[in-house]
Amino acid sequence: QVQLVESGGGVVQPGRSLRLSCAASGFSFSTYGMHWVRQAPGKGLEWVAVISYDGRNQYYVESVKGRFTISRDNSKNTLYLQMNSLSADDTAVYYCAKEVTDYDFWTGYRNWGQGTLVTVSS
Amino acid sequence: QSVLTQPPSVSAAPGQKVTISCSGSSSNIGNNYVSWYQQFPGTAPKLLIYDNNKRPSGIPDRFSGSKSGTSATLGITGLQTGDEADYYCGTWDTSLSAGVFGGGTTLTVL
Repeated sequence: QVQLVESGGGVVQPGRSLRLSCAASGFSFSTYGMHWVRQAPGKGLEWVAVISYDGRNQYYVESVKGRFTISRDNSKNTLYLQMNSLSADDTAVYYCAKEVTDYDFWTGYRNWGQGTLVTVSS
Repeated sequence: QSVLTQPPSVSAAPGQKVTISCSGSSSNIGNNYVSWYQQFPGTAPKLLIYDNNKRPSGIPDRFSGSKSGTSATLGITGLQTGDEADYYCGTWDTSLSAGVFGGGTTLTVL
């Protein structure tokens, strides 16, 4: 069965960096687009970024453009989110999510990881 | 402020039917597929509906989705206390080149 396991969260000071990972298994990782979605404490869902199945295309929410970078290593079945210049507004649970349909772009979030908490605080 | 607009809360009695609306614009709902998610406190969201009205395997047919113009609707029939959760709509916004969600709707089964 599909498994997505995020890691790399923790407490980080404002202005510092953090890299999240999402280890995928149970499906053909290299054929699916992948997303990061976050949820601040007590708030709703916020889409963060998407990367195409082949890694050639990436898109970001405006608030993280220039600070966050989504990438993937299809040989390791792993998705990444490099987060730089973190601020308190980035405090959230970060989920990785898999597209519904392979080779397609934005078909919805079929499977989700359990999430990893990022807390930005001095 | 979310790009997609959902009512903050809805409620209905067990066994009844409820609908949750999701309003957008031509750059998102009007020209892209809509999906719906269920989330219980402290857990990851779960896909209920994709491509406006399709259910993934394992989702009961009590859950349905529809879309008309720039609005979408999630319907839940035969309400159960176990349906109490937050529900989110989502789609792609072509103008923003970004995924977007509604603000979420809390369902209470009285």
